[in-house]
Amino acid sequence: DTEVTQTPKHLVMGMTNKKSLKCEQHMGHRAMYWYKQKAKKPPELMFVYSYEKLSINESVPSRFSPECPNSSLLNLHLHALQPEDSALYLCASSQDRLGSGGTRGVLFFGEGSRLTVL
Amino acid sequence: GQNIDQPTEMTATEGAIVQINCTYQTSGFNGLFWYQQHAGEAPTFLSYNVLDGLEEKGRFSSFLSRSKGYSYLLLKELQMKDSASYLCAVEDPNYGGSQGNLIFGKGTKLSVKP
Repeated sequence: DTEVTQTPKHLVMGMTNKKSLKCEQHMGHRAMYWYKQKAKKPPELMFVYSYEKLSINESVPSRFSPECPNSSLLNLHLHALQPEDSALYLCASSQDRLGSGGTRGVLFFGEGSRLTVL
Repeated sequence: GQNIDQPTEMTATEGAIVQINCTYQTSGFNGLFWYQQHAGEAPTFLSYNVLDGLEEKGRFSSFLSRSKGYSYLLLKELQMKDSASYLCAVEDPNYGGSQGNLIFGKGTKLSVKP
């Protein structure tokens, strides 16, 4: 199984809603990531979990709250979002943390959750 | 600072060869990756270079020169399905303490015409 699965694929929410994005991988990868991607832009790193511990938080607003319940799951809790937060949210995993060298840092991306905030 | 440059767009003809260049300046270097991203889809891994030279994988090859901070992705026998964005990314191992990060370029949108 070489897949990263994300749910939901599409999400429309109001600015007062609370929702969650979910990500799952069963490749035994020890690092998991959340990226945000706007149209015609490269992915922007939001959070990194390495061995289930939050190791990078790219100064993301607190209305985005990550959670890593176990080594296979990664959630992104959303609350009080703004219309400018509308984007494709990509989850990724890698065999080991980036910086460990070699192809262990190759990212496997999920298909993404396309979020629209009204 | 961190800077990765690649052309914004390129156009090529089916069956031809195209070379997508990438230059980088990063505080650390632990390898360079190329990813392919079709419109509306997630990026997928194409190649990895950490030593100077050419890595060949079927129709795709990737080259690295660390001294010049330069890489290219070479696509041969272009097919219509190769129309996609190609992202160059450098692994900086010292980004956040012991946790590295991938620094992405802005991507090159390749259009393959019949």
